Amino acid sequence: GAGVSQTPSNKVTEKGKYVELRCDPISGHTALYWYRQSLGQGPEFLIYFQGTGAADDSGLPNDRFFAVRPEGSVSTLKIQRTERGDSAVYLCASSAGLAFTYNEQFFGPGTRLTVL
Amino acid sequence: AQRVTQPEKLLSVFKGAPVELKCNYSYSGSPELFWYVQYSRQRLQLLLRHISRESIKGFTADLNKGETSFHLKKPFAQEEDSAMYYCALRGSGAGSYQLTFGKGTKLSVIP
Repeated sequence: GAGVSQTPSNKVTEKGKYVELRCDPISGHTALYWYRQSLGQGPEFLIYFQGTGAADDSGLPNDRFFAVRPEGSVSTLKIQRTERGDSAVYLCASSAGLAFTYNEQFFGPGTRLTVL
Repeated sequence: AQRVTQPEKLLSVFKGAPVELKCNYSYSGSPELFWYVQYSRQRLQLLLRHISRESIKGFTADLNKGETSFHLKKPFAQEEDSAMYYCALRGSGAGSYQLTFGKGTKLSVIP
């Protein structure tokens, strides 16, 4: 079956612009995660959804970042007033079941965001 | 706070030589530890987790709580093992779902 997909694969924008990054999880996966991977770093947690609600958004760096998952499937990560420091690969992952019993997180290919 | 440290950014070994990728962690409770791998132009994928205690592609990793380590080992490296390896930790208890990753080690197997 299809894995996690993310669009676009690459996004180049100018400082101050607004961007949206999309994630399509594996069908039936109720848990969805966003991570950010800066150059030379491992992925860093941003936000976690269980169904439609954001169960934990403690990793969002500031209020310019926001994510939604209105129907419990596709999720959109939104970044306002982008800054050069936002340049990174944004990874999405999904997993089945409830989060407190670990289920493998399957990662998407990522969106490479470059802010000029 | 939880933290994962991978001290080596790059590890080069010859084909057939043993491999050990180091991982140390900091966590106050009983964590779950994982190794993820990313091959060239592929997505991040789970290699193994300590709970399953299995060998995947010849790799094993033992959780040493005394030394807070979870080193990844393989007795004989193969060229196809060349990849980026990330150690990751998940805390215990309800609400522990996010993974904390190390910075990764790039393994290069020389033919």
